Amino acid sequence: AQSVTQLDSQVPVFEEAPVELRCNYSSSVSVYLFWYVQYPNQGLQLLLKYLSGSTLVKGINGFEAEFNKSQTSFHLRKPSVHISDTAEYFCAVRPTGAGNMLTFGGGTRLMVKP
Amino acid sequence: GAVVSQHPSRVICKSGTSVKIECRSLDFQATTMFWYRQFPKQSLMLMATSNEGSKATYEQGVEKDKFLINHASLTLSTLTVTSAHPEDSSFYICSASGQFDGYTFGSGTRLTVV
Repeated sequence: AQSVTQLDSQVPVFEEAPVELRCNYSSSVSVYLFWYVQYPNQGLQLLLKYLSGSTLVKGINGFEAEFNKSQTSFHLRKPSVHISDTAEYFCAVRPTGAGNMLTFGGGTRLMVKP
Repeated sequence: GAVVSQHPSRVICKSGTSVKIECRSLDFQATTMFWYRQFPKQSLMLMATSNEGSKATYEQGVEKDKFLINHASLTLSTLTVTSAHPEDSSFYICSASGQFDGYTFGSGTRLTVV
């Protein structure tokens, strides 16, 4: 079984400041890792994913994440946030191989203030 | 990219009636579809997993007779909330898997039972 912990339920930050949203996971098998963003009353949009290869993954909207296997972490970062980045962010994992379901973290609400 | 269309986006129904939510994969064949429920300010809770042509697998605690899932084709899955009650009010999101490495989410359905 897998579990995902997002340590911060809310992260307030000023516009143009850097931000890091933390994600740690636990799994007895190899996993793929994902970050999704959810705007109010909408579904989830994939920001980025780690499948294999380089541990630094770049995604959409200027976000990036680094997979750290020894620390079982997959923290999401952005060097300069915008008001439009205000949303809920979910970290998720799934075992490698097709068809396995995603396990989500509890979510982190990023609140960007002017 | 892969697109999943979910309808309706919002629905208000009277207590005791049934509501059907549709989830369509528009440009790929979805061998597996997942249905989630999301309470305000919370993460996604997996309700059930459906594979085309077979019965859905429900998560523990989810009433299969109340939440009927049909996945009759590779592009369409439906969730019917039968005899809806106010406590069924929630945000329902579908997700389709037809690709090896990820999932595509619908835009969600806000169900309000009055």
